[in-house]
Amino acid sequence: EPEVTQTPSHQVTQMGQEVILRCVPISNHLYFYWYRQILGQKVEFLVSFYNNEISEKSEIFDDQFSVERPDGSNFTLKIRSTKLEDSAMYFCASSQEYADTQYFGPGTRLTVL
Amino acid sequence: QKEVEQNSGPLSVPEGAIASLNCTYSDRGSQSFFWYRQYSGKSPELIMSIYSNGDKEDGRFTAQLNKASQYVSLLIRDSQPSDSATYLCAGAYTGANSKLTFGKGITLSVRP
Repeated sequence: EPEVTQTPSHQVTQMGQEVILRCVPISNHLYFYWYRQILGQKVEFLVSFYNNEISEKSEIFDDQFSVERPDGSNFTLKIRSTKLEDSAMYFCASSQEYADTQYFGPGTRLTVL
Repeated sequence: QKEVEQNSGPLSVPEGAIASLNCTYSDRGSQSFFWYRQYSGKSPELIMSIYSNGDKEDGRFTAQLNKASQYVSLLIRDSQPSDSATYLCAGAYTGANSKLTFGKGITLSVRP
């Protein structure tokens, strides 16, 4: 069964460093998302991406964040200068159609020291 | 502000019992709803999706949607210890580029 994959599973970085989180969505899906979950809190929407552009972003997704689909398979989230409060699980998700079921990857645990 | 509320829990039921999980939402413009299961430290895993009023059954799981009352529920029949997890209710709203808005989750514990 097709699944969303994410790398790395755990990323430790120093405050102020850049990180890139990688995702490979399900191959025939057209809509891509990033969510994050701070320990003990709700899953929060960050950004949605369709047709090679951002379709919506949340207040969390400020100028320090960017997304890219550099080729036909990868979908990346870049945080330019990490802060302590960026420590969280980051989930990539994809769906085939608008408002359809979103399938989540296993997540990347980001720890900012 | 579009909200999804899951205010009950944690919930503990004996093995074999029915677990009932509830969720309310604030925006009548909602389009579709999803129940995800999340084990500790893991990603959300889809249990059920529901798009129209009424019941939808899949094995031991039944999702119910009542748009007039703005609530969604999930029933788990014959609960098993392996069902012990946090259950997340999520809504996708019309015109919101299908982003999911999640509730905080209900932690279910099934006692052997």
